Parts: sequence; structure tokens; C-alpha cells
Amino acid sequence: DAGITQSPRHKVTETGTPVTLRCHQTENHRYMYWYRQDPGHGLRLIHYSYGVKDTDKGEVSDGYSVSRSKTEDFLLTLESATSSQTSVYFCAIRIRGVSEAFFGQGTRLTVV
Amino acid sequence: GESVGLHLPTLSVQEGDNSIINCAYSNSASDYFIWYKQESGKGPQFIIDIRSNMDKRQGQRVTVLLNKTVKHLSLQIAATQPGDSAVYFCAENGGFSSGGSNYKLTFGKGTLLTVNP
Repeated sequence: DAGITQSPRHKVTETGTPVTLRCHQTENHRYMYWYRQDPGHGLRLIHYSYGVKDTDKGEVSDGYSVSRSKTEDFLLTLESATSSQTSVYFCAIRIRGVSEAFFGQGTRLTVV
Repeated sequence: GESVGLHLPTLSVQEGDNSIINCAYSNSASDYFIWYKQESGKGPQFIIDIRSNMDKRQGQRVTVLLNKTVKHLSLQIAATQPGDSAVYFCAENGGFSSGGSNYKLTFGKGTLLTVNP
């Protein structure tokens, strides 16, 4: 698992509440990513980070924000959860910019 | 290899046969490609990669072919086994985005491989 831990693994929350998902890595890799996975859409990039306090948007960033205040943690926040954000969220890290990505086990988020 | 609507493309093969999974990519500037395997309830796992200066790369029982002319990638699995049953994704690295060395990895929608004993 390349030292990646996602928390929580499962969460049910109500519409309109804020939610923060955490990705923690133990190996000080520079590149970290948040993806969501939905049936028929595969894995879609939400946000990514290329260093502490350096982040950028992916293809489905609306409704999400991220923060990376230290190398080992990359946080994904849903400021006001909606039912369309019900999904499985995966964190990934890359050792170098052009290398394979290693994925966490995923967080299943349900917004009711 | 690209999905239509909500249904994944599927490939069903007999145990011991060879499997070929296809993927079309969109970005002609992509310089690096990866194949992932995802089993139910797990995160994607790396299988094999290839850089854009190559057209073929072989691993253990797997071969990836890259055709840059038509922007096509394929994964060949030799002597397919029941444990190979999973969803397979191709991914492309879009190279440098404007403003710096930021590396986005974009995934295809996946193909479901089912191996019949």
C-alpha cells in the first residue's frame, strides 16, 4: 500500500454538512492526488498536490477544496456535502512526477 | 476500452486463453502510460507502464503495446487465470501543465475482465 492510509474508510453524512477526508503517507513523497470513482466514469481527478501548500485542480474540483500543510497529509474537504458527492474516494501518491501512482484503500462516502 | 453510458465494456475469456484489453487515449502530448488492475473493494494496483518513446514493453505474463499514431494502448495477458478477473484501467500522464512541472494522471473508464474456469 506504499504507506498510504485513508481515513475514515466509511462515512455517512447528511446533505449540507462539511466533511473532511484525510490521506496520510509515511514516505515523504512529493505528489499526492485525490480521485473519485463512480460507475461508468472510472477514476476522475479532483485535486492534486505537488508539494506543501502547492495544489491544483483536477477535472471535477467543483464543491471540493484541499489542503497540504505538511508533506505527509493531504486533506480533501467537502464544504457542504451534496448527494452527488456520494462516491468512493481514492488517494494516490507518486514517487516522481513521471512514475506509477500508488493508491490507498479508498473511502466510501454516502451523503443522505 | 472506453465505456458507453453506465456500463463498463466487458471481456469474457476462458482460463488459459490470452486476453487483450484496449484503450484509446485523448492527449497527443501524453508521455507516459500505465495499466492498473482493480479488484472489488480495493484500490487500483499497478501492472505495467510504458513511455512514449517505446511501442512495446513486456512484463510477467503481460505485454503493453502503444500506437501513438492512432493514440491506442493495449494490454495483453497471456494464459489468463481466474485471479486475473478484475477491472482494468489505462492511465495517461498529460505531461507538463502550464506554469510548472505538475503531473496529472488521467484514467480511462475501465474494462471488466471475467475469466471462466
